[in-house]
Amino acid sequence: GIQVEQSPPDLILQEGANSTLRCNFSDSVNNLQWFHQNPWGQLINLFYIPSGTKQNGRLSATTVATERYSLLYISSSQTTDSGVYFCAVAGWRDDKIIFGKGTRLHILP
Amino acid sequence: DSGVTQTPKHLITATGQRVTLRCSPRSGDLSVYWYQQSLDQGLQFLIQYYNGEERAKGNILERFSAQQFPDLHSELNLSSLELGDSALYFCASTTRPGDSNSPLHFGNGTRLTVT
Repeated sequence: GIQVEQSPPDLILQEGANSTLRCNFSDSVNNLQWFHQNPWGQLINLFYIPSGTKQNGRLSATTVATERYSLLYISSSQTTDSGVYFCAVAGWRDDKIIFGKGTRLHILP
Repeated sequence: DSGVTQTPKHLITATGQRVTLRCSPRSGDLSVYWYQQSLDQGLQFLIQYYNGEERAKGNILERFSAQQFPDLHSELNLSSLELGDSALYFCASTTRPGDSNSPLHFGNGTRLTVT
């Protein structure tokens, strides 16, 4: 099945800093999503982005499907951005949506 | 609020017991996914249903089973529970997997503690 690797595994930044999170996947996908799990455990869908670029406020994402990676950009970080960011993908063969191990982001005030 | 409802929020039970976790998908969503998240771990895909039929299976233990009912709610049954089954169990729903712009929406999870 598809393998999903996220990097870095951990990231500690000062409030106001920018960050780039990466997601590599091992096969072509027809579904790629980014999620934020907040410190209370809730999983929030950030982007549905199997290809192209999207922006939502301080967050943006780019997926280069032909090169099998996606990037999540967070600008002007706030403490509320802390948590774990997951990338999840599904291939063309079935509907399994597989998650990477996540990037744990800690924003210091 | 994602619109996905999971009950109960917390469950404490003993080894060897059986429990049922329930999920009501968002209005209009036909597909339900179940995931297990152990402490400080990622989300492990268990099983997926679409309009009442099983469509994909992950590394779900034989002690675990699930179904999706005609009203589209789903139940995950965990039996002969072991200490290692303690985890957060998430349900998520979507309209039709593979369709363009069909994001996954998660419930708040059921935290299972096996003592």
